[in-house]
Amino acid sequence: GAGVSQSPSNKVTEKGKDVELRCDPISGHTALYWYRQSLGQGLEFLIYFQGNSAPDKSGLPSDRFSAERTGGSVSTLTIQRTQQEDSAVYLCASSLGPRLAGDTQYFGPGTRLTVL
Amino acid sequence: AQSVTQPDIHITVSEGASLELRCNYSYGATPYLFWYVQSPGQGLQLLLKYFSGDTLVQGIKGFEAEFKRSQSSFNLRKPSVHWSDAAEYFCAVGANAGNTPLVFGKGTRLSVIA
Repeated sequence: GAGVSQSPSNKVTEKGKDVELRCDPISGHTALYWYRQSLGQGLEFLIYFQGNSAPDKSGLPSDRFSAERTGGSVSTLTIQRTQQEDSAVYLCASSLGPRLAGDTQYFGPGTRLTVL
Repeated sequence: AQSVTQPDIHITVSEGASLELRCNYSYGATPYLFWYVQSPGQGLQLLLKYFSGDTLVQGIKGFEAEFKRSQSSFNLRKPSVHWSDAAEYFCAVGANAGNTPLVFGKGTRLSVIA
């Protein structure tokens, strides 16, 4: 079946603008994760959704970042008032869940965000 | 909290040579360990994972990794590297508590020369 998809693949924006990044997880996967990959860095966890539970937002770097997941499927990551340091590749992953030990996370191709 | 160290930022090997990528983790209990590969412009693909049992894990594309608890290591190996293996490799650790976000190392970039 289809894997995790993300859109857009590339986004260029001006400093101070808001952006929305979209993630379509694998059908039937209840867990969804957002990570950020900055140049020369590993992947940094941002937020995690599991079913209908309250999301784990512990990785969000500031209150300019938020995410929602509608109907337990599609997720949108929103960055308000973008800054140049927000430039990165934003990766989404999903896994089968719920709370299955060590369940594999499947990653999308990412959205490359460039803030000018 | 978990952490992962990949001490080698960049490794260059000749095609056909053997490969070992190092990964050390820090976690108080038995971890779940993963190796992912990322080709340029691509997302991450799972190579292999360790949860329990046999400490030598076989993965896709001819890769294997060995979990050594005494050394807190999970090194990735391949006996003969192909040019198509050139990519970025990430080691990750997950908490032994069901689905949780992974903690990734900063990656090792592999270059393959003829």
